[in-house]
Amino acid sequence: SQQGEEDPQALSIQEGENATMNCSYKTSINNLQWYRQNSGRGLVHLILIRSNEREKHSGRLRVTLDTSKKSSSLLITASRAADTASYFCATDALTILTGGGNKLTFGTGTQLKVEL
Amino acid sequence: DTGVSQNPRHKITKRGQNVTFRCDPISEHNRLYWYRQTLGQGPEFLTYFQNEAQLEKSRLLSDRFSAERPKGSFSTLEIQRTEQGDSAMYLCASSPRVGSRAYNEQFFGPGTRLTVL
Repeated sequence: SQQGEEDPQALSIQEGENATMNCSYKTSINNLQWYRQNSGRGLVHLILIRSNEREKHSGRLRVTLDTSKKSSSLLITASRAADTASYFCATDALTILTGGGNKLTFGTGTQLKVEL
Repeated sequence: DTGVSQNPRHKITKRGQNVTFRCDPISEHNRLYWYRQTLGQGPEFLTYFQNEAQLEKSRLLSDRFSAERPKGSFSTLEIQRTEQGDSAMYLCASSPRVGSRAYNEQFFGPGTRLTVL
């Protein structure tokens, strides 16, 4: 089952604007990750934030995490047409799988469209 | 490093047929995962291997599904007696050893899109 939901489901902005996506989840986590998926293709890892971190930056990406509210946000600054994709948050549960595996639980995704 | 590869990229089959997908992970990664993604949804975990051992299976993985990783390198996912509800994108991901750099990240392949008619 899906761990949580992204909000909004779809977002359309102009190139150069900022895009903010939110993610809510349900259970305790080790970390939360954001992935990008271009139409019909595999996922690309963007950024990981650990449960004891509150904010993290990577290039034009800024992620925040509020474990008390079980929520995270992804901010993409100065968006580009190439940022058009679906964005998923994925939680890495507190319970680690046997052998150290981590079962990611994905949200439903935000479809971002950046127009020229 | 050529990334995770999956074959075939697309598969169309008739209901009741068996299909097999292959995943080749990044060579030094010992952990391998299979996920299923239906239209408009995020991926859902199916199963996990550490080396050749299958250590976790989701309840989504019915008895018609079987996955193997015989030599701890490539993996196969077989679906027997396919049903229309099996139509989805099947994604494979791999991770480096625990303690390695980026060991919490999963590196995904492009997926195999299955259509069951």
